[in-house]
Amino acid sequence: VQLVESGGGLVQPGKSLKLSCSASGFTFSSYGMHWIRQAPGKGLDWVAYISSSSGTVYADAVKGRFTISRDNAKNTLYLQLNSLKSEDTAIYYCARSQTDYWGQGVMVTVSS
Amino acid sequence: DIVMTQAPLSVSVTPGESASISCRSSKSLLHSNGITYVYWYLQKPGKSPQLLIYRMSNLASGVPDRFSGSGSETDFTLKISRVEAEDVGIYYCGQLLENPYTFGAGTKLELK
Repeated sequence: VQLVESGGGLVQPGKSLKLSCSASGFTFSSYGMHWIRQAPGKGLDWVAYISSSSGTVYADAVKGRFTISRDNAKNTLYLQLNSLKSEDTAIYYCARSQTDYWGQGVMVTVSS
Repeated sequence: DIVMTQAPLSVSVTPGESASISCRSSKSLLHSNGITYVYWYLQKPGKSPQLLIYRMSNLASGVPDRFSGSGSETDFTLKISRVEAEDVGIYYCGQLLENPYTFGAGTKLELK
């Protein structure tokens, strides 16, 4: 099992970014997936979850701004980040449904 | 939201000795299916979190049996027997019973 995030970077407040998580080594379409973030020097903060049937749930802090989605044909999970705020600065991890596998994380920095 | 409270914030252990970390949830994590949805993770310095224990007492794949999890509906314990240098890092408990999924603030384990 391997999860590889990409798409992070430095972005200005109010702008957008799209993260990707490429999955391999398991039947991606059969598993729900999470995005979990970690602000610098802080703890773990759950962001969003998408089920195998593409049902979605979000943390209140990102609801209406972030969108989780998946492309089973490409074995890829996405997180669209809109209207970014400085408090969204964090390492973003994708993780499989029971959090048994995590990616290496991708850094998102929101700053002017 | 379910609040996960960990104690202590940090622990210093002599190699070869045992260590225990506590986690308390603000609501029962026992599902009607009989499964208790508490998880334990270790984040080694500069690395992604790794799953140690799932559903309160099940050892994750590849995790040494020096690690064990136990508890009730709201009070949980991670025990590490015969602590080794590779066990250094921050330990988190988390709940996957209901969204928003939440984590404890973490317990830092250091060696004496």
